[in-house]
Amino acid sequence: GENVEQHPSTLSVQEGDSAVIKCTYSDSASNYFPWYKQELGKGPQLIIDIRSNVGEKKDQRIAVTLNKTAKHFSLHITETQPEDSAVYFCAASMGSSGDKLTFGTGTRLAVRP
Amino acid sequence: SAVISQKPSRDICQRGTSLTIQCQVDSQVTMMFWYRQQPGQSLTLIATANQGSEATYESGFVIDKFPISRPNLTFSTLTVSNMSPEDSSIYLCSVEVAGGSKQYFGPGTRLTVT
Repeated sequence: GENVEQHPSTLSVQEGDSAVIKCTYSDSASNYFPWYKQELGKGPQLIIDIRSNVGEKKDQRIAVTLNKTAKHFSLHITETQPEDSAVYFCAASMGSSGDKLTFGTGTRLAVRP
Repeated sequence: SAVISQKPSRDICQRGTSLTIQCQVDSQVTMMFWYRQQPGQSLTLIATANQGSEATYESGFVIDKFPISRPNLTFSTLTVSNMSPEDSSIYLCSVEVAGGSKQYFGPGTRLTVT
């Protein structure tokens, strides 16, 4: 089955700096790669996703890049703010209806004011 | 997206008892999922609940321990049976919207078993 590795496990950045979180996956058949943000005491929130026919996707201060050949994808957050502090999870899926998401182990991001 | 609610939001239960968690979504969805998130850990899929059919369980999870109901397109329940302290976790439901594996999560139910 699919295996998703995520690095780093913790990340501390100064407010205004950029943060990058990286994930690798094992199943070359995976086609859908979402990122979730989980704040303390809340459920995961979908913040951005990408499918394998796209190499990069951007939404304001966040962007995701995908390298299918190398089987890795990354989340980039620019101009970080204290409210970006949370745990971020990457996931991978075959991308069809009902296909399960396999999650990475999570990255705890702390943005220092 | 979808607005998803879960009840209860948290509970403290004694070992050997059972707890039923409810998940309600504001629109009709075909696929609903139940996850477990142990303290400080990632999300692990328990089962997929497709309306009109039996739930499909992942390896390591069995129906006797985690029975699931899916009576209609907006509601599902997960029961955690014969609880032990190892069942202390956050239980999350999610729904697939617009197909293609895009899932949205509820706020979670924080369960502590003493």
